[in-house]
Amino acid sequence: AQSVTQLDSHVSVSEGTPVLLRCNYSSSYSPSLFWYVQHPNKGLQLLLKYTSAATLVKGINGFEAEFKKSETSFHLTKPSAHMSDAAEYFCVVSEYGNKLVFGAGTILRVKS
Amino acid sequence: ETGVTQSPTHLIKTRGQQVTLRCSSQSGHNTVSWYQQALGQGPQFIFQYYREEENGRGNFPPRFSGLQFPNYSSELNVNALELDDSALYLCASSLVVQPSSYNEQFFGPGTRLTVL
Repeated sequence: AQSVTQLDSHVSVSEGTPVLLRCNYSSSYSPSLFWYVQHPNKGLQLLLKYTSAATLVKGINGFEAEFKKSETSFHLTKPSAHMSDAAEYFCVVSEYGNKLVFGAGTILRVKS
Repeated sequence: ETGVTQSPTHLIKTRGQQVTLRCSSQSGHNTVSWYQQALGQGPQFIFQYYREEENGRGNFPPRFSGLQFPNYSSELNVNALELDDSALYLCASSLVVQPSSYNEQFFGPGTRLTVL
């Protein structure tokens, strides 16, 4: 079975500084990987997806992630945090048949 | 284009009762997936319906059941409610052409179920 591990339950950054949210995955074959964001009282929104094309994936709102097979990692980054980025972020792997397997989530706090 | 909608937004039930949650898929989508998100955790896959048939199930007991209608909307039914069923229930719809391949899922805002 596939799984993802988000290495930090909480991350705190200052506005304007870089963001790094870490994710490792476990998969028996070439996975599809995603990052979703969940703002309070709002639905999950897809930030970006990796589906075996380019290993550096660009998403919405300036976020990007790099698929590293040798490290089984898919870390999410952003060069400069904005207050509106404060939310919970989920690393997700897709199993055969479209079942999504979510990590436990990382809560991002952005300080002014 | 209307997105995924869910009803009701909030619901309070007591242990042992039954509940039905509803989901309207995004226009043009033929597949609905249901997830349970307990407080402080990531969503967990309950099951998926593709063309009115169950197409995969997570590790949930049979008292969790579902339906998909000809218009591709869906219901999640939970019988004999337990305290641990308190969670946010998320519905996601997608357009699936090949069930084995990735198809982006679009999530609704969820239904918050509280079991007392």
